[in-house]
Amino acid sequence: EPEVTQTPSHQVTQMGQEVILRCVPISNHLYFYWYRQILGQKVEFLVSFYNNEISEKSEIFDDQFSVERPDGSNFTLKIRSTKLEDSAMYFCASSEGSGGGDQETQYFGPGTRLLVL
Amino acid sequence: RKEVEQDPGPFNVPEGATVAFNCTYSNSASQSFFWYRQDCRKEPKLLMSVYSSGNEDGRFTAQLNRASQYISLLIRDSKLSDSATYLCVVNQAGTALIFGKGTTLSVSS
Repeated sequence: EPEVTQTPSHQVTQMGQEVILRCVPISNHLYFYWYRQILGQKVEFLVSFYNNEISEKSEIFDDQFSVERPDGSNFTLKIRSTKLEDSAMYFCASSEGSGGGDQETQYFGPGTRLLVL
Repeated sequence: RKEVEQDPGPFNVPEGATVAFNCTYSNSASQSFFWYRQDCRKEPKLLMSVYSSGNEDGRFTAQLNRASQYISLLIRDSKLSDSATYLCVVNQAGTALIFGKGTTLSVSS
């Protein structure tokens, strides 16, 4: 069964450093997403990406964050100048389409656990 | 953006029990509804979509009441492997999924 994959599984960084989290969505999917989950809290939407541009973003996704699809398979989340409160699990997800029906089902990767010290 | 609310539990039940989870959502424009399951420190995994007419998948039954903005999940004949956190998830009008905090289920032998 096709899966979303993410690397690294864990990342430890110093406050103020930049991190890049990587994802390989399911190959025939066209929509890509990033979510985060702070320990003990709910999963929160960050951004969605379609046709090489951001289609929707939340208030969390400020200028500190950026996303990119550098090639035909990878989808990345860059966090500049990390803060302590960026420590969380970051999940990538992908879907075939949007707008209803089974096509909109989002499949999640295993996550990258980011710890900012 | 408005919220999705769930009873956090935990629900502690014996094997074979029937357990029901409830969820309310505040945005009447919500269009799609799902139950996801999340095991400890793992990713959310789709359990089932929730349709207006209600739907069943084996031991799992989901119901949607749009007028009351209420979603439910019923699990019959609980198994040890059902122990997890159950996430009520709503898509309001775009691409973002809005998650509840989840309801924790613990099934014991």
